[in-house]
Formats: sequence, structure tokens, C-alpha cells
Amino acid sequence: GESVGLHLPTLSVQEGDNSIINCAYSNSASDYFIWYKQESGKGPQFIIDIRSNMDKRQGQRVTVLLNKTVKHLSLQIAATQPGDSAVYFCAENQVNTGNQFYFGTGTSLTVIP
Amino acid sequence: DAGITQSPRHKVTETGTPVTLRCHQTENHRYMYWYRQDPGHGLRLIHYSYGVKDTDKGEVSDGYSVSRSKTEDFLLTLESATSSQTSVYFCAISVEYLSYEQYFGPGTRLTVT
Repeated sequence: GESVGLHLPTLSVQEGDNSIINCAYSNSASDYFIWYKQESGKGPQFIIDIRSNMDKRQGQRVTVLLNKTVKHLSLQIAATQPGDSAVYFCAENQVNTGNQFYFGTGTSLTVIP
Repeated sequence: DAGITQSPRHKVTETGTPVTLRCHQTENHRYMYWYRQDPGHGLRLIHYSYGVKDTDKGEVSDGYSVSRSKTEDFLLTLESATSSQTSVYFCAISVEYLSYEQYFGPGTRLTVT
């Protein structure tokens, strides 16, 4: 099966600092990646995605970096706010093959006021 | 949660009893999915539907069945619940198959004693 994992299960940051959440994947054929945010008691919410033909994509206060050489992606959150406290996980997929998404286990981000 | 409701939100049942979880959407999206989420595992696909009466198996379909008699409703049934099926179950919908625009419901926490 696929292996999508995270380097750190928990991360604590001060409010206003930048956060970096990492994700490793094992399938070199994966060509589409998504970051999700999941708040306690809620379903996952789409944050940002990136395709394998890119190495960086920016959204509102978030940036995803993809390093295909080492099969690693990261989510950077700028000026972290208390509302960013949640579990973040990545998912990988092979677009146009009909394969399902494989989800990582998640990193719990806690923002310290 | 993007017009997706799940019922019940919490359920405790005994081993060997049948259980049905309901997912209801108001978005009229074609694709619907059932995932389970367990500690130490990422979200795993149980079954999905690509239209009324059209369903297929996902990664962890053993012990589960689904039905979709109307576009808006997708039912997940555990014919004879086991303790290994204790989990949080999420329904998701998308316009396209496995599209990144998967919107998740709030989840159902099922405990099998």
C-alpha cells in the first residue's frame, strides 16, 4: 500500500510565528497532493493543493513546497493564529489513474497565545 | 460543512448488531464517499458512489455495504458490527471522481462494545 506519513505528530508555535508542517510520501508516481485542516469534532477542510509539475504554490497565508527528489512536501503557515490550531494532514493521488487518495495520519498544531 | 449532514453524530452499539449511517447532501453532487478515520491511520476509503445505484469498493470495504437510492442520500451499513469497526466515519462529496474538491461532512463517531 501507499505510505504517507508525517515527521512530527505534534507542533506548538507562538502566535504570530510561522509554522512548518512536513509530510513524506513513498509513491514516486504520485502527482497530486493536498493539505487538509481538521479542527476538533469537524470534518477535514481543503487548504491547498499542488501538482507534481510545480515545486511551490502559495495561498492566503499558506505555502506548500514539494520536493520530488526526496518525496517530501511541507505546509508553511505564516503569522500563525489561534484559529490555526488543528490537525493538518496531507493526501496524495495519482491523477487520471482512478487511484484513490492516500491520507497521512496528521500533525496536531497548537498555537500558543 | 458544504451542505452535508451525517446522522447519527454519535452511536454506541453492541457487537453483532446491524448499524446504518446516513449521509445527506444538498449540493446535488454526483460522487459520494464513505471514509473511516482511526488513530495511527489516515482517512481510508470504504466505499464510494458515482451515481444513483452505482457504487464500488474502496480500500477497506470488508464488513460494510452501501446503498444510494437517491442522489442526496448515501447509506453505510455494518451488517454485523465488530469492535474493529469502532471509528469515526466521514462522508464526502465531490463533483468529479476523487476531485480535490471533496467536501467532508462533520463525521459520525461509532463505538462498538
